[in-house]
Amino acid sequence: DAKTTQPTSMDCAEGRAANLPCNHSTISGNEYVYWYRQIHSQGPQYIIHGLKNNETNEMASLIITEDRKSSTLILPHATLRDTAVYYCIVSVTYNTDKLIFGTGTRLQVFP
Amino acid sequence: DTAVSQTPKYLVTQMGNDKSIKCEQNLGHDTMYWYKQDSKKFLKIMFSYNNKELIINETVPNRFSPKSPDKAHLNLHINSLELGDSAVYFCASSQGRAGNEQFFGPGTRLTVL
Repeated sequence: DAKTTQPTSMDCAEGRAANLPCNHSTISGNEYVYWYRQIHSQGPQYIIHGLKNNETNEMASLIITEDRKSSTLILPHATLRDTAVYYCIVSVTYNTDKLIFGTGTRLQVFP
Repeated sequence: DTAVSQTPKYLVTQMGNDKSIKCEQNLGHDTMYWYKQDSKKFLKIMFSYNNKELIINETVPNRFSPKSPDKAHLNLHINSLELGDSAVYFCASSQGRAGNEQFFGPGTRLTVL
């Protein structure tokens, strides 16, 4: 069962930063936060993951609060192609055998 | 040079039939997965194989039988198809555990009539 809470949907103007929140108040000390997204009808795509430090890659930034009970995925300059469902996932451990996807946030980027 | 490929992309069949979905990955990964995404868009793990050995079997009816002939392939055979089996099935792979980046295939949309 998913251990995260995300808003059902969000809108973002093209070119602006999209900030997608995720609540994981019951996260354990050895659990990682993962973000995947699913563009319409395609397979999910990995975005980023982190434990407690903020992380950045070519796609996005992940900001994890100090108490690790919540995190925010930031797409710095959203484009229309970023319209997708974004899943925040908390793993059992980094060496988990499975990831459990929740309902995600549907991000709509508009012109 | 598709990383994870699935065939067929669409599959329409009658109740009671037996069908297979094939998955191949050319990433050299040692772990492969099958996920099911139902009409409400819930994405759930069904099976995972590591080096051809079954690691996860998530309370899936035994009408579903995965087969991994080698590390690069994980096929899904479904017997006696039911209406409730209609869904999109995604194959994925990763190097090592599921916590490593998983690469997903394009999906197979199965419709059971």
